[in-house]
Amino acid sequence: SYVLTQPPSVSVAPGKTARITCGGNNIGSKSVHWYQQKPGQAPVLVVYDDSDRPSGIPERFSGSNSGNTATLTISRVEAGDEADYYCQVWDSSSDHPVFGGGTKLTVL
Amino acid sequence: EVQLVESGGGLVKPGGSLRLSCAASGFTFSNAWMSWVRQAPGKGLEWVGRIKSKTDGGTTDYAAPVKGRFTISRDDSKNTLYLQMNSLKTEDTAVYYCTTAHTGSIDAFDIWGQGTMVTVSS
Repeated sequence: SYVLTQPPSVSVAPGKTARITCGGNNIGSKSVHWYQQKPGQAPVLVVYDDSDRPSGIPERFSGSNSGNTATLTISRVEAGDEADYYCQVWDSSSDHPVFGGGTKLTVL
Repeated sequence: EVQLVESGGGLVKPGGSLRLSCAASGFTFSNAWMSWVRQAPGKGLEWVGRIKSKTDGGTTDYAAPVKGRFTISRDDSKNTLYLQMNSLKTEDTAVYYCTTAHTGSIDAFDIWGQGTMVTVSS
């Protein structure tokens, strides 16, 4: 089955830019979605179809996808952005969604 | 307001059964493809399975670890999704979320319930 690889952790200072990667074989040919999950809460969709934002998600959240890597970029990071972030694609071979292992974003 | 509310979680012994429910409101439930996603303590998200809308066949599909043990069903008259879990194992211990792709992409889950905890332990 399709495998998505994320770094376990990323750290960033407030006001700086955080980049969280999601690696997969030819992931650039797939639509990638990103979720934010804070402790004790359900996941929240923050980017879908590589780079679109749902209503209510700040413009500071953006995404890109090319080749074997998709990237979630969070600009002007705030303390409230500290959370786990998961990427997700639809694996057409199994007709199942697949999640990455998650990345813990720490705001220093 | 678009909302999903899960219920039915609890403590069950290995080999036991449990049925989870997910009540939907604020959108046309009968048109929605619904999924269950779980999260073991301290672990990542894992898709459990899906049921399509009846107009799209109403078929179900499951992840390998639960296939043959879990059954997803829906009652569109009650706007409710179910997850029947049989032959439970300790590794099924997790928070179980119901979710759906309501707007935007067809496979991006933008509505989630608050989750219900299932603990499988003797």
